[in-house]
Amino acid sequence: DIQMTQSPSSVAASVGDRVTITCRASQDIGNWLAWYQQKPGKAPQVLIFATSTLQTGVPSRFSGSGSGTDFTLTITGLQPEDFATYYCQQANNFPRGLTFGGGTKVEIK
Amino acid sequence: QLHLQESGPGLMKASETLSLTCTVSGGSIRGSTYYWAWIRQSPEKGLEWIGSILHSGISYYSSSLESRVTMSVDTSKDQFSLTLKSVSAADTSIYFCGALTYYYGMDVWGQGITVTVSS
Repeated sequence: DIQMTQSPSSVAASVGDRVTITCRASQDIGNWLAWYQQKPGKAPQVLIFATSTLQTGVPSRFSGSGSGTDFTLTITGLQPEDFATYYCQQANNFPRGLTFGGGTKVEIK
Repeated sequence: QLHLQESGPGLMKASETLSLTCTVSGGSIRGSTYYWAWIRQSPEKGLEWIGSILHSGISYYSSSLESRVTMSVDTSKDQFSLTLKSVSAADTSIYFCGALTYYYGMDVWGQGITVTVSS
């Protein structure tokens, strides 16, 4: 299976900050990746799919980019509701072998 | 709007067989283009895809779990199910069901059900 490595595993930031999370695949996965946001006690929710397309209702301060093995989620102007854990997910061999990154917890500084 | 709800036991003993059901409302499994999926989450393993099944019954399983996993679908009840044999403490997780497509990812999730396996 393709391994997805996220970094950092946690980041402390302040409201208004710019936060960048990276996701690296163990092999080329093309140009599709999804990002999910999870808050405590809740299921993850898709933020971005197809690397850079925002899910309906997701604020434009979220953006995604990348291709091949390296992908990025950027939050520009962090808001209080953005403190959560973020996961990447690849589907290179869909519908088989879906894998997630280990998560990045965005905490309040 | 599609809504998914997991049901099943919360506590099990090692070596037993886990059976979970996901009930779909606000839409129908029959004829849907979704892959109906199970994903679990634990502190040790993070988010782990278990498998997916189509309304036709065609299923796909994680290579690490496929020897113990079976999924099924009941379109008359708008339910799909997960069976996991010979559970151990390592299977203790929150189990989520969801609706998955290649392009949109898993865009509908159930609330999750916590399953604890005691030895």
